[in-house]
Amino acid sequence: DQQVKQNSPSLSVQEGRISILNCDYTNSMFDYFLWYKKYPAEGPTFLISISSIKDKNEDGRFTVFLNKSAKHLSLHIVPSQPGDSAVYFCAARGSLNTGNQFYFGTGTSLTVIP
Amino acid sequence: ETGVTQTPRHLVMGMTNKKSLKCEQHLGHNAMYWYKQSAKKPLELMFVYNFKEQTENNSVPSRFSPECPNSSHLFLHLHTLQPEDSALYLCASSQDPAPQETQYFGPGTRLLVL
Repeated sequence: DQQVKQNSPSLSVQEGRISILNCDYTNSMFDYFLWYKKYPAEGPTFLISISSIKDKNEDGRFTVFLNKSAKHLSLHIVPSQPGDSAVYFCAARGSLNTGNQFYFGTGTSLTVIP
Repeated sequence: ETGVTQTPRHLVMGMTNKKSLKCEQHLGHNAMYWYKQSAKKPLELMFVYNFKEQTENNSVPSRFSPECPNSSHLFLHLHTLQPEDSALYLCASSQDPAPQETQYFGPGTRLLVL
């Protein structure tokens, strides 16, 4: 059973507007979360992370929000740019009792329309 | 060359063939990983190596055989694969396997088993 879920396979947003990508997880032991971005024919590249001691982390146009009670995180991109068009993966991991691995979602394909 | 490289980028093999995937990282990292990404499924961790020692085997069938001769190189030897093994195989590296360490991915090898 998938422990990290991205229920929206795709998202289209107008350039300049906000993109919101969502991710849900089931394992309450997860305490570290990341977002990766993947362009076609390239490997995923790290975008931004957040640990469970925070509820928000911001890096330029990218902000990740964590709602531990809802087991939900989201990535906000504002303003969205055409170069942001890519597949975005969220991943989660626990420091204890969850094994030595990240659990990934299936990805959300973001298209930013010029 | 910098980052994480993988060869070949594409591979087509029959079920009786033996082939190897190669991964090389130029980042001075100590941990290396093999992931599998099947269509519409999340990335699945296969193997973890830390300082050339295998620390994780995520219940991978024995027809996949990893080899890590040094901290910079990682191989995945393939033999008697099945069509359902067709997938994108991604290599990654990190400074060490700790949760907060960012994993850097290669571009992947797209494998098709006929």
